[in-house]
Amino acid sequence: EPEVTQTPSHQVTQMGQEVILRCVPISNHLYFYWYRQILGQKVEFLVSFYNNEISEKSEIFDDQFSVERPDGSNFTLKIRSTKLEDSAMYFCASRGGSDTQYFGPGTRLTVL
Amino acid sequence: AQKVTQAQTEISVVEKEDVTLDCVYETRDTTYYLFWYKQPPSGELVFLIRRNSFDEQNEISGRYSWNFQKSTSSFNFTITASQVVDSAVYFCALRGYNQGGKLIFGQGTELSVKP
Repeated sequence: EPEVTQTPSHQVTQMGQEVILRCVPISNHLYFYWYRQILGQKVEFLVSFYNNEISEKSEIFDDQFSVERPDGSNFTLKIRSTKLEDSAMYFCASRGGSDTQYFGPGTRLTVL
Repeated sequence: AQKVTQAQTEISVVEKEDVTLDCVYETRDTTYYLFWYKQPPSGELVFLIRRNSFDEQNEISGRYSWNFQKSTSSFNFTITASQVVDSAVYFCALRGYNQGGKLIFGQGTELSVKP
């Protein structure tokens, strides 16, 4: 069964460093999403991406964040200059013709 | 504004008990979708069910059942004869009728099933 994959599973970085989180959505899906979950809290929407552009973004998704679909398979989230409060689990999700989003296993980002 | 409320932060039951997880939502959209996801201790988010606003039929899948009531804006989830493997955080989520299709999650209910 097709699934969303994410790499790395855990990323540790120093404050101020750039990180790139990678996702491979389900192959025939057209809508892509990033969410984050701070430890013990709810899952929060960051950004949605369709037809090679951002279709919606939240207030969390400020100028430090960017997304890209560099080729036909990967979908990346870049944080330019990480802050301590960026420490969270980041989930990628994709959606095809149905209305269901399928989530990847997540990348745990730890900013020191 | 759209909002999902899961008032139960934590629930603890003994194996074989039935348990209901509550979800109340707010939206001004006439077309919308409701979801339940399970987050086991390993951390991934597992899709359980999707319901659209035009389909108020209750659904049963094995030990799981869902009760959707538009009149009370609720989409409750019942696990019958709970098992230890059901221990997880369960999230209710809402998606409005928009191109982006973002999900609005509730705070989650942590279910602990003890043997």
